[in-house]
Amino acid sequence: DTGVSQDPRHKITKRGQNVTFRCDPISEHNRLYWYRQTLGQGPEFLTYFQNEAQLEKSRLLSDRFSAERPKGSFSTLEIQRTEQGDSAMYLCASSTIAGGKTQYFGPGTRLLVL
Amino acid sequence: DAKTTQPPSMDCAEGRAANLPCNHSTISGNEYVYWYRQIHSQGPQYIIHGLKNNETNEMASLIITEDRKSSTLILPHATLRDTAVYYCIVRANYPYGGATNKLIFGTGTLLAVQP
Repeated sequence: DTGVSQDPRHKITKRGQNVTFRCDPISEHNRLYWYRQTLGQGPEFLTYFQNEAQLEKSRLLSDRFSAERPKGSFSTLEIQRTEQGDSAMYLCASSTIAGGKTQYFGPGTRLLVL
Repeated sequence: DAKTTQPPSMDCAEGRAANLPCNHSTISGNEYVYWYRQIHSQGPQYIIHGLKNNETNEMASLIITEDRKSSTLILPHATLRDTAVYYCIVRANYPYGGATNKLIFGTGTLLAVQP
């Protein structure tokens, strides 16, 4: 068990560019979650997958955001036409179905949009 | 979703017990209380959870009042590495009675353990 990993750890981009983040959950964890955290605030839920199915999306997930988990293992979160307001820490977490209340978080990807 | 209220910050001396309070007066009968913590620049870490009985694990103890309107997380012997933001979370439910697995974080309590 190597824990949840995220790549990259840091990303600086210019406004209007597209960015993609990757999350590798703990192996055999069926559920995968994405959260966003801005400075001084707690994480905010964005979306979650059970296997490859995206089961819930927050209103925070505008149409510029898309998440996938094509084979039920790793997931990607893409932001198109980035805006300065997208600057935040993007956190990924995973859990088993039975232990869904207990989520294991990765270290996050810190995005800065200039 | 039930809301939680936590003090914004607390101090604790190293080696002493840290008692972190949380109010959740609107909690429903089937909602659990979860505690996570977040050390600076890291992802949140699960600590403990409970429904109505007190719980203990290797990290902490959770005391839930009989009316379930408040709880206390206890770190029995705080160390400098326990300095973090501690989040008390009541697990969200769908309005129609099912359960969702998303966590709703507030702003938490910043616990500063002093040497």
